Amino acid sequence: KAGVTQTPRYLIKTRGQQVTLSCSPISGHRSVSWYQQTPGQGLQFLFEYFSETQRNKGNFPGRFSGRQFSNSRSEMNVSTLELGDSALYLCASNAASGTTLYNEQFFGPGTRLTVL
Amino acid sequence: KNEVEQSPQNLTAQEGEFITINCSYSVGISALHWLQQHPGGGIVSLFMLSSGKKKHGRLIATINIQEKHSSLHITASHPRDSAVYICAVRGSNYQLIWGAGTKLIIKP
Repeated sequence: KAGVTQTPRYLIKTRGQQVTLSCSPISGHRSVSWYQQTPGQGLQFLFEYFSETQRNKGNFPGRFSGRQFSNSRSEMNVSTLELGDSALYLCASNAASGTTLYNEQFFGPGTRLTVL
Repeated sequence: KNEVEQSPQNLTAQEGEFITINCSYSVGISALHWLQQHPGGGIVSLFMLSSGKKKHGRLIATINIQEKHSSLHITASHPRDSAVYICAVRGSNYQLIWGAGTKLIIKP
């Protein structure tokens, strides 16, 4: 079974631009979570999607948004990029269902975003 | 005070030593995860547990729900175990709350 894939793996943008990151979960997984990891802040939760609905959201500004498609693939968008948005963005999928919510998470390799 | 506290923050040991990493949390949880992150970013889920003890090879994870504490043990440590070990707890709102991580270096 293929693991979680993220594209692109590396990205360089300039301030003010926007960026879209993509995550394909493990086949059959309907829950996708996004995390931002920076050296100073560690892992920070962005949001979680389950069956195309945002189920939970972390404390990030509205510039950070996401969506999930019917095939469970998810995208994350950051608009008006700031230097502080430079980070490793990780996506994780798990086999949560409507009743079985708490399952092991499987992480993708991440997208390293550099904002210049 | 952070909701998830890990100790130690950094740990250096010799190959073969028995390693213990601790995680204490202050919120009600439904599950606790131990994850491993190698240089370069890749994160691997090691354990998810909600009670008792789990073992995978040289790794053992325990949790005490009453004391709100979990430990990750590595027996016969090896340099390839060098990584950051992260404890994360899942609260009632599905969100994972992360510890700051423990950086482990095993010297040959």
